[in-house]
Amino acid sequence: SQQGEEDPQALSIQEGENATMNCSYKTSINNLQWYRQNSGRGLVHLILIRSNEREKHSGRLRVTLDTSKKSSSLLITASRAADTASYFCATDLGANSKLTFGKGITLSVRP
Amino acid sequence: DTAVSQTPKYLVTQMGNDKSIKCEQNLGHDTMYWYKQDSKKFLKIMFSYNNKELIINETVPNRFSPKSPDKAHLNLHINSLELGDSAVYFCASSQEVRYTFGSGTRLTVV
Repeated sequence: SQQGEEDPQALSIQEGENATMNCSYKTSINNLQWYRQNSGRGLVHLILIRSNEREKHSGRLRVTLDTSKKSSSLLITASRAADTASYFCATDLGANSKLTFGKGITLSVRP
Repeated sequence: DTAVSQTPKYLVTQMGNDKSIKCEQNLGHDTMYWYKQDSKKFLKIMFSYNNKELIINETVPNRFSPKSPDKAHLNLHINSLELGDSAVYFCASSQEVRYTFGSGTRLTVV
C-alpha cells in the first residue's frame, strides 16, 4: 500500500521563488528520503532525514520531519528553471524493508 | 561510468510475447530492486534481491520472474506480456539506506 502522500500534486512558480512541497505518511519510519525525477529519466537521491532528526540542509534544499504529525516538507530556495522536475518522498521502515514512494509532485519553475 | 545501467531503454512488443530487461550496477551494492512506474508516475516495488537472494516479492503476477546471477546483476523476465504491463521499469541498488536508480526501461505492449 502507498505510504507517502505529497501535496500539492503540481506546483508552478517563478524563478527565484521558494518552492515548498509536503509529504505525509502513515506508519513509523526509520528514515524519509526525497528524490527528483527529470522527465524521461531515473530518480536521483536528494536528501535523507532520519526519524530522530528534525531538520537537514543540503545546498538550497531544506527538509524537515515531524514524526508526531507523520509529515515532512522539502523547501527549495531561490528556485531555478533547472529545478523543474517531479519530486518524490519515500519512506524506509528499516532493515530489509523496501523504500515506498508517494505519488510525486510536479514542480514547474518559469524562467 | 554509469552506476546502474539498464537495457534496453525502450522496448515495444506485441501482446503475448516474452521479453527480458537487464540491469547491472558497478557500485558494489548488496541489494538490488525492480520498481514499476505507471502512467501516473506512481512507483511500486516489485522485487528485491540481497546478494543474489530474493528478499522482497510483492504481489506481482507469476509472469514476472527476476533472476540474479550475481550481486551486480538483476534481470527481469516477463512472459506472455499484457497491455497492462506497459510502464517504465526501474532498476535500483542500495548498500544501506540510499538508493541509486537506473534511467529506466519504457515498455510498451501493443
